[in-house]
Amino acid sequence: ILNVEQSPQSLHVQEGDSTNFTCSFPSSNFYALHWYRWETAKSPEALFVMTLNGDEKKKGRISATLNTKEGYSYLYIKGSQPEDSATYLCAVENYGGSQGNLIFGKGTKLSVKP
Amino acid sequence: DVKVTQSSRYLVKRTGEKVFLECVQDMDHENMFWYRQDPGLGLRLIYFSYDVKMKEKGDIPEGYSVSREKKERFSLILESASTNQTSMYLCASRGSGAYEQYFGPGTRLTVT
Repeated sequence: ILNVEQSPQSLHVQEGDSTNFTCSFPSSNFYALHWYRWETAKSPEALFVMTLNGDEKKKGRISATLNTKEGYSYLYIKGSQPEDSATYLCAVENYGGSQGNLIFGKGTKLSVKP
Repeated sequence: DVKVTQSSRYLVKRTGEKVFLECVQDMDHENMFWYRQDPGLGLRLIYFSYDVKMKEKGDIPEGYSVSREKKERFSLILESASTNQTSMYLCASRGSGAYEQYFGPGTRLTVT
């Protein structure tokens, strides 16, 4: 079974700090990588889907990069705000799997203190 | 906006009861999924369906079954609930050929 690792498990930062976390995965048979943000009492919300090596995506203060050859993705948050507090999930999809089957990491829980 | 709804946010059931968790999506998506989420673990796939009346086992199907009689509705069934099925259950849907999965808000099930 494909293993997706996220680090750190949790992170506490001050408002205004920039932060980043990592998602690692086996690089063979890679198809796509997904980042989700999951706020308490809400549905997980898709942030990015990336497929190509070297992909970089940005949405406001949040950006992500992808290295499929070495099997990792970084998620960056610039100038963290309290509303960024959430669990950030990484999920990987492989060739050969059934369509849409995502393997999720355990998540990184971010807390931003005002 | 895609909307995925789940029948209950919180549910408390007794051991041995038959439990139905319902999920409905309004975007005509072919693919639907049931996950469970437990502390310290990632989301784990229980079952998925890629078309009406079609279903496939995910990584942890034991103790569960599913039903997809209509395209928009995907039900998860716990035939005889057990305490180790206490968990957060999330439903998701995805269009054919699309990347994104859209999630419902989750049902927190407690089996006592």
